[in-house]
Amino acid sequence: DTEVTQTPKHLVMGMTNKKSLKCEQHMGHRAMYWYKQKAKKPPELMFVYSYEKLSINESVPSRFSPECPNSSLLNLHLHALQPEDSALYLCASSQGGLAGDEQYFGPGTRLTVT
Amino acid sequence: LAKTTQPISMDSYEGQEVNITCSHNNIATNDYITWYQQFPSQGPRFIIQGYKTKVTNEVASLFIPADRKSSTLSLPRVSLSDTAVYYCLVGDSYTGGFKTIFGAGTRLFVKA
Repeated sequence: DTEVTQTPKHLVMGMTNKKSLKCEQHMGHRAMYWYKQKAKKPPELMFVYSYEKLSINESVPSRFSPECPNSSLLNLHLHALQPEDSALYLCASSQGGLAGDEQYFGPGTRLTVT
Repeated sequence: LAKTTQPISMDSYEGQEVNITCSHNNIATNDYITWYQQFPSQGPRFIIQGYKTKVTNEVASLFIPADRKSSTLSLPRVSLSDTAVYYCLVGDSYTGGFKTIFGAGTRLFVKA
């Protein structure tokens, strides 16, 4: 199984809502990533978890809160988002989080903030 | 951080070989060069990775000169389904983890 799954596929939320994005992999990977991708732009790294510990936070606003409950799951909790946060949110995983590790990406969650 | 520069877009015809070059002048000794493909509304997909010289797999070849300041992704005999964005990445070691920086990407249009 080389699949990374993400739910939901689409999400529309108001600026006062609280919602969560979920990501799951069963490849035994120990590094998991959140990326944000705006239309016609490359993915931008947000967070990296390595062995269930947050190892990289790319100065992401606190309205985005990541969580890694176990080595297979990654959540992104959303609260008080702004319309400019509307984007495709991609989750990825890799074997160990080392330089050069192949990353497996999920299909993404298309988020619209109204 | 090592940055990459790629052409914004390229056009090709079915059956042709396509070569996409990426510049990474500040590549560090430990960095690998990786290419990903992305279709609209999908996550990127790994294509190929190399450190030096030439690497070939079932879908592409990667050519890296001795100074490693650039690399060329070669797609043999492209088809319409190869229309996608191709990203060149240079791995960057980072204290506490590995940081992935995607370049701007090259939009490849394959025409019939």
